[in-house]
Amino acid sequence: EDQVTQSPEALRLQEGESSSLNCSYTVSGLRGLFWYRQDPGKGPEFLFTLYSAGEEKEKERLKATLTKKESFLHITAPKPEDSATYLCAVYPDDKIIFGKGTRLHILP
Amino acid sequence: DTGVSQDPRHKITKRGQNVTFRCDPISEHNRLYWYRQTLGQGPEFLTYFQNEAQLEKSRLLSDRFSAERPKGSFSTLEIQRTEQGDSAMYLCASSLGGTGGAEQYFGPGTRLTVT
Repeated sequence: EDQVTQSPEALRLQEGESSSLNCSYTVSGLRGLFWYRQDPGKGPEFLFTLYSAGEEKEKERLKATLTKKESFLHITAPKPEDSATYLCAVYPDDKIIFGKGTRLHILP
Repeated sequence: DTGVSQDPRHKITKRGQNVTFRCDPISEHNRLYWYRQTLGQGPEFLTYFQNEAQLEKSRLLSDRFSAERPKGSFSTLEIQRTEQGDSAMYLCASSLGGTGGAEQYFGPGTRLTVT
C-alpha cells in the first residue's frame, strides 16, 4: 500500500535556527513528490515538485531534496512567518497521497 | 488572480440534512479533485474529474456522496443524510493534468460542521 510518513509531527524553533523536516514514502511507482504549506483554516499552498532522486528545488529560505526513499525540506534561518504545517505528498498515479504533515512553529 | 474558489466557506447543518458544495477551478485546468481533511490529518482523496468525466472514486466516498462536473467547468459535491462523522474540511483542487503538469492547486476549502 502506498504510504507517506512525515517526521517530526511538530517542531518548535527559535527564529534563525535552521532545521530539516523529513518525508519518507513507500509507493509502487513514484511519478513525483510535492511539498505544500498549509496555514490554519486555509487550503494547502503549492511549494515544490520533485521528480527524481538527486533533484533539489529552492524557494527563499526553503530547499527540498529527494532520494529514492525520502525527501527533506530544509529551512534556513526561519522567520516567524514560516510557521505553518508543511505537507508532503506523493504522486504514484492520477491522485495525490498526503502525509499528516509537520506543524512548524518559529518563535521570535 | 483567478485561483480555485469554493463556496460556501463554512456550513453548519443538522444531522440528516443534505448539503451541496461548489468548486470553481482555475479556468484552463481540465482536472478537478475533491479531498476531505480532518484535524491533524493530511487531505484524503475522494474523487476526481478529467473534464466532465468522473474517473476515480475513493472507497471513502460512500453512497451518500455524489459529485458532478457538468460541462467540465465547475463541480459540485453533495452529501445526503449528513452524519456527525462527515464534519471536516472539504477541499477542491485543480491541475492541468497529463503532460501539462501534475501540480494541484487548492481552494480555501469548505468547513462542514454537522450538529
